[in-house]
Amino acid sequence: AQTVTQSQPEMSVQEAETVTLSCTYDTSENNYYLFWYKQPPSRQMILVIRQEAYKQQNATENRFSVNFQKAAKSFSLKISDSQLGDTAMYFCAFMKHMNRDDKIIFGKGTRLHILP
Amino acid sequence: GAGVSQSPSNKVTEKGKDVELRCDPISGHTALYWYRQSLGQGLEFLIYFQGNSAPDKSGLPSDRFSAERTGGSVSTLTIQRTQQEDSAVYLCASSLLGGAKSPLHFGNGTRLTVT
Repeated sequence: AQTVTQSQPEMSVQEAETVTLSCTYDTSENNYYLFWYKQPPSRQMILVIRQEAYKQQNATENRFSVNFQKAAKSFSLKISDSQLGDTAMYFCAFMKHMNRDDKIIFGKGTRLHILP
Repeated sequence: GAGVSQSPSNKVTEKGKDVELRCDPISGHTALYWYRQSLGQGLEFLIYFQGNSAPDKSGLPSDRFSAERTGGSVSTLTIQRTQQEDSAVYLCASSLLGGAKSPLHFGNGTRLTVT
């Protein structure tokens, strides 16, 4: 079975700083997808970034980038120039690659506070 | 366009009562998922629908929990004889086809409080 571990329950950084959220996972699969989701106080989950395991290049979306280390099964999220609106819960997630009936497995989340 | 809609947004019920939570997915989305979010526990998978059938019910925590989907659209999650440990936010998500290549769209959830 796949598992996703986020070792940082809560973090705080000053506005404009860079912050890195950690995520490790366990799987015997070779092809899979990894995700970071953001959940602001509104409770709606928003996809931040997605990485396909067979792609070696790290995914980036504006101020958000990942450091994907497949051998180490590590998938950290870096937020550059952090903004107050980045305050949210962040969930790392895993999904097997091809079967449409597979489900996304989430970690327990990291609560991120951006301080003014 | 309209996103995933869940109702009610909040529900307070007494222990032992039954509750129904509703999810309206995005029109045309064949895949629908229910997750439960308890404090400090992340998102726990409950059940997945592809059309009206549920290929994966593995996450339902007990036989007090059931779900159905009709017309390939609206889904209802029913909890019978609610217990205090059922208190959580119940999130619904849909995607066009299911699988990793179809992005998940989440609703705002139903916060259930069992007193």
